[in-house]
Amino acid sequence: DAGVTQSPTHLIKTRGQQVTLRCSPKSGHDTVSWYQQALGQGPQFIFQYYEEEERQRGNFPDRFSGHQFPNYSSELNVNALLLGDSALYLCASSDPTVPGQGWSGEQYFGPGTRLTVT
Amino acid sequence: AQTVTQSQPEMSVQEAETVTLSCTYDTSENNYYLFWYKQPPSRQMILVIRQEAYKQQNATENRFSVNFQKAAKSFSLKISDSQLGDTAMYFCAFLEGSNYKLTFGKGTLLTVNP
Repeated sequence: DAGVTQSPTHLIKTRGQQVTLRCSPKSGHDTVSWYQQALGQGPQFIFQYYEEEERQRGNFPDRFSGHQFPNYSSELNVNALLLGDSALYLCASSDPTVPGQGWSGEQYFGPGTRLTVT
Repeated sequence: AQTVTQSQPEMSVQEAETVTLSCTYDTSENNYYLFWYKQPPSRQMILVIRQEAYKQQNATENRFSVNFQKAAKSFSLKISDSQLGDTAMYFCAFLEGSNYKLTFGKGTLLTVNP
């Protein structure tokens, strides 16, 4: 059973460019969340996708956008890259149960994509 | 807004000894979940242990256990019989019961020395 996969592993971009990162959730999971982890920091929530729609969003500008496909895989797009966007981008998936009794709340993380903006 | 505080940026322990990592959080919610995640140098974030706020009993997973003090909003992680493979960043994380966003602390870098 494959876990969460992300591509590419590493990416180097120039300021002002656009980038697309990809994520495939764990088998049986329908919800995908994206996190940004700056060096030496904890991950920060960007947004979550469920049923091909953005369900919740963190404090990130509109330059950060996403998409979820019918097979539950997801993309994170970042436009007009800034030096400060350099970070590890983590994707996490979770199971389809709803919050409540029996919900684990657990999110399974992928290995991340290291983005460097020069 | 929920906040998670890990007051120990770095800790070290000798192999086979016990170490406790601290975490406090701030919330006005009554229904929530708390997690400890481990991130080794390979950077894959791995769940270590989970605690539901409505459960009074502290969670345990083999050598890992928590001390959950709901009134004090404290959630510490105890690692017994430390192993070299336990060397990693450890993150405390909070999830509100009706929410989907994990809020992480800044992490504690744990080094297990031989």
